[in-house]
Amino acid sequence: GESVGLHLPTLSVQEGDNSIINCAYSNSASDYFIWYKQESGKGPQFIIDIRSNMDKRQGQRVTVLLNKTVKHLSLQIAATQPGDSAVYFCAENPPNAGNMLTFGGGTRLMVKP
Amino acid sequence: SQTIHQWPATLVQPVGSPLSLECTVEGTSNPNLYWYRQAAGRGLQLLFYSVGIGQISSEVPQNLSASRPQDRQFILSSKKLLLSDSGFYLCAGEGQSNSPLHFGNGTRLTVT
Repeated sequence: GESVGLHLPTLSVQEGDNSIINCAYSNSASDYFIWYKQESGKGPQFIIDIRSNMDKRQGQRVTVLLNKTVKHLSLQIAATQPGDSAVYFCAENPPNAGNMLTFGGGTRLMVKP
Repeated sequence: SQTIHQWPATLVQPVGSPLSLECTVEGTSNPNLYWYRQAAGRGLQLLFYSVGIGQISSEVPQNLSASRPQDRQFILSSKKLLLSDSGFYLCAGEGQSNSPLHFGNGTRLTVT
């Protein structure tokens, strides 16, 4: 069935480096995508979203890239900090699903000091 | 902005006991509300969603039920807990179409 998945379950980066977290989605008709950050023992926190009519969107230290040709979504974090250590989830809004999101399995980002 | 409140933060219950987890929403009227469960180190599984008072849709068959007695209140219940009901339960809400879900801080349920 349609699904959202992640290439790497765990990503370890050095503090100060840039991080790239990837997500593959299979429903080419999905029109809305979101990245969430979840710290231990807390609920997921919205980071950034992007609609299918865009290829790139930037926030503070974060950038989301959407490649509809290969159905790929990525989250780039610039100058990664220890506070960025968390699990990151991508989510998509498939067509005919109303406002419900399909979540990927998550990638754990570990930042080494 | 929308704020989701959940309580309790942690709960330990014996097998066969009842359950009631409450979620309330601030900052939005007539939100769509959701209950998710998250197993340790895993993704989010949608359990229930509600588009209005008294309107509940279930995504997976299970030992749990949900109710929405008020516009900004969403309750997750069970009459008799099973060991497999242990997990991290998250309530989420959204106020507008294609707006991001906002999550509460969850309830860690351990059934012993």
